[in-house]
Amino acid sequence: QKEVEQNSGPLSVPEGAIASLNCTYSDRGSQSFFWYRQYSGKSPELIMFIYSNGDKEDGRFTAQLNKASQYVSLLIRDSQPSDSATYLCAVRGSQGNLIFGKGTKLSVKP
Amino acid sequence: DGGITQSPKYLFRKEGQNVTLSCEQNLNHDAMYWYRQDPGQGLRLIYYSQIVNDFQKGDIAEGYSVSREKKESFPLTVTSAQKNPTAFYLCASSSRGATSSGANVLTFGAGSRLTVL
Repeated sequence: QKEVEQNSGPLSVPEGAIASLNCTYSDRGSQSFFWYRQYSGKSPELIMFIYSNGDKEDGRFTAQLNKASQYVSLLIRDSQPSDSATYLCAVRGSQGNLIFGKGTKLSVKP
Repeated sequence: DGGITQSPKYLFRKEGQNVTLSCEQNLNHDAMYWYRQDPGQGLRLIYYSQIVNDFQKGDIAEGYSVSREKKESFPLTVTSAQKNPTAFYLCASSSRGATSSGANVLTFGAGSRLTVL
């Protein structure tokens, strides 16, 4: 059974700082990794996905993948109060489904 | 606009009742999924379907049933056998793909919140 682990937080950062969210996964054969953002009471929305070692950047967001260490991270630069949400890390399962971690709650203080 | 529509948004169930949550998508996606989310928890897979007239149990299928008679629709029935059904239910869909690209990006509906009275 694939597992995805995240620190539940809350992670608190000041406005304008870099927020660093981390995720580890158990299956060394995992290929695709996803970051979703979920506001309280809402459904998850995709931020980005990554499947190659290294960094992938999209605006203020950077996903980092290290398959040797089985580690995925999400960096949010110039954090804004509107970034306050729960961030879910997910790994693609063998049937095309996604296996989710429990999420890290991020709070960006003005 | 393409998307996934879940209804109802809020639902209340009495003990012993079956209830059905609707999920409709117009994204022309082959695969559809039902997840359950409890407070402070991640998403857990209930059922999934990769093609019409076929579906598979996920990690927590007991007390639930589904059907996939049309590509666009994947309703979930919460039966009286589900002892703790109060949760946030999320339907999602994706296009099928054998590559490691974004083909498995899941798009979610707005969710249905079920409360047992």
